[in-house]
Amino acid sequence: GQQVMQIPQYQHVQEGEDFTTYCNSSTTLSNIQWYKQRPGGHPVFLIQLVKSGEVKKQKRLTFQFGEAKKNSSLHITATQTTDVGTYFCAAVTGGGNKLTFGTGTQLKVEL
Amino acid sequence: DARVTQTPRDKVTEMGQEVTMRCQPILGHNTVFWYRQTMMQGLELLAYFRNRAPLDDSGMPKDRFSAEMPDATLATLKIQPSEPRDSAVYFCASGLSRNTEAFFGQGTRLTVV
Repeated sequence: GQQVMQIPQYQHVQEGEDFTTYCNSSTTLSNIQWYKQRPGGHPVFLIQLVKSGEVKKQKRLTFQFGEAKKNSSLHITATQTTDVGTYFCAAVTGGGNKLTFGTGTQLKVEL
Repeated sequence: DARVTQTPRDKVTEMGQEVTMRCQPILGHNTVFWYRQTMMQGLELLAYFRNRAPLDDSGMPKDRFSAEMPDATLATLKIQPSEPRDSAVYFCASGLSRNTEAFFGQGTRLTVV
């Protein structure tokens, strides 16, 4: 079945350092979505990537979709304590109906 | 402020008891997902519905879990009988249509003792 792996599993950074999480799928994806879950909270949608090679930016966050539509990355520039949480990619398959989450990357930011 | 509502927020039950979790999707959303989150397994997709019809429930243990949508405003996830390994946070999410974002509820934290 669909498998979506993320690396790293955990990342500790000092405030101001950059952070990147990578998402890899075993199959070609229709789209990919990214979510953030704060400690004790629920996943919240960040963005959706649709096109091969697509790059989107949200302030300090940069999202990329691979050319083969099997991998994606999220890069945060100059992390802040508000960036703490777990970042998930989610593979959109099944004709756009099925949403399978990756294993997640837990980010901790230290002052 | 439209949101997905899940009840109960917390549930502690004894092994062998039946547990029913409820979800009210955002009005007008036609896709509903059920996820289970544990430290070990992450966010597992249990089942999802489109226009109230189950599209895939292959992620659920069939012998004890069942998911239904009696109407467009209610989705239920039932576990009978419950076991300690079912302890987790169960999330419901809804979406407006295909290829759109999923809105998550606050989750139901289930503890089976």
